[in-house]
Amino acid sequence: DTGVSQNPRHKITKRGQNVTFRCDPISEHNRLYWYRQTLGQGPEFLTYFQNEAQLEKSRLLSDRFSAERPKGSFSTLEIQRTEQGDSAMYLCASSLEAGLGDYGYTFGSGTRLTVV
Amino acid sequence: GEDVEQSLFLSVREGDSSVINCTYTDSSSTYLYWYKQEPGAGLQLLTYIFSNMDMKQDQRLTVLLNKKDKHLSLRIADTQTGDSAIYFCAESGTDKLIFGTGTRLQVFP
Repeated sequence: DTGVSQNPRHKITKRGQNVTFRCDPISEHNRLYWYRQTLGQGPEFLTYFQNEAQLEKSRLLSDRFSAERPKGSFSTLEIQRTEQGDSAMYLCASSLEAGLGDYGYTFGSGTRLTVV
Repeated sequence: GEDVEQSLFLSVREGDSSVINCTYTDSSSTYLYWYKQEPGAGLQLLTYIFSNMDMKQDQRLTVLLNKKDKHLSLRIADTQTGDSAIYFCAESGTDKLIFGTGTRLQVFP
């Protein structure tokens, strides 16, 4: 297992287009998280799944955002009708249960979205 | 509410010790974490401390926790140029990590 994998690494899109990102977590991890990181800021929580169930969504996750984890393995994050304010690094992380202590959260390298 | 604050920038000479500070608000946090982020990369877990501890040492890293003041620090001994990065503290909020804004550490020769 090579860790958490995110694709694509970079995405440039025109305003108004839809984009979809994929995250493949560590296989035995049942929790999967999405964070957004803008320049000069720390990661901000968007949503998380335990297995296939989406258990919490941040108020940052507007109606244009949707996340799925259909079989409890990989996850997708879709942004519809992208806006320039959506430009950010989208980070995925996975963990065992609540990710405490030694388990922590393992992060992927992120998908950098640029909306032009 | 949950809020984590850090100073934005720290510059140290190679070989000196670095101390990065963090304050948090959620007294119910079970664990507190330090992550490192290098340019263009994701976040790498450096170390963590359980909330009932006041100190943890891990090779060159020492974490100090003052639970009364909700203050966390990370000391890096013998700082090297490879330690240049952004360091984030994070508290374990309800089922998710809450991150600070990050401290950019610059190490000069």
